[in-house]
Amino acid sequence: DIQLTQSPSSLSASVGDRVTITCRASQTINSFLNWYQQKPGKAPNLLIFSTSSLQSGVPSRFSGSGFGTDFTLTISSLEPEDFAIYYCQQSYSLPLTFGGGTKVEIK
Amino acid sequence: QVQLVESGGGVVQPGGSLRLSCVASGFTFTTYGMHWVRQAPGKGLEWVAYKRDDGNIQYYADSVKGRFTVSRDNSGNTLYLQMNSLRPEDTAAYYCVKDGGREVLLNWFDAWGQGALVTVS
Repeated sequence: DIQLTQSPSSLSASVGDRVTITCRASQTINSFLNWYQQKPGKAPNLLIFSTSSLQSGVPSRFSGSGFGTDFTLTISSLEPEDFAIYYCQQSYSLPLTFGGGTKVEIK
Repeated sequence: QVQLVESGGGVVQPGGSLRLSCVASGFTFTTYGMHWVRQAPGKGLEWVAYKRDDGNIQYYADSVKGRFTVSRDNSGNTLYLQMNSLRPEDTAAYYCVKDGGREVLLNWFDAWGQGALVTVS
């Protein structure tokens, strides 16, 4: 199974801050890495697919990059509605797996 | 817009069975793969099962293989998850999830239901 390790597991940031979350795969997954946002009591929501493609309706302050085993999700300027948990997920091989999540909290 | 509505969750004793349903609307159900993804209380996300658009291929996580069965009724736009021999560690919110394409790999989860809570106790 491909393990995805996210770091940090949590972070505190202020509105307007630039935030970067990393996701490292235990083996190469090419560019088949997706990012989701989950708010309390809600289902996850797709932000970015295939490493860097922005899902329709997602603000452009979200961006993704990477290839192979190392990937990043960047929020260029944090907004109040961005405080949530973020998960990466690989679709390169079965079983499909998720990272452990990164909780973004208000400083 | 895409809607996925799960039902069938509840409380069941260890060893019992439960069937989840997911009614889909807002897209052509017959041309997309569908998944079940679960989340234990306060924990992360775990992929559970996949059914291809034509219903001919399915895959399962090792943790549920042999106990859970995913099926779909394309005439009724409905996805199912039959869960047998339930264990306390199966306690979770179960999400019905639409794949971004047809096949199980190389895609993404682009629409999620609200979740059905299953408690095994």
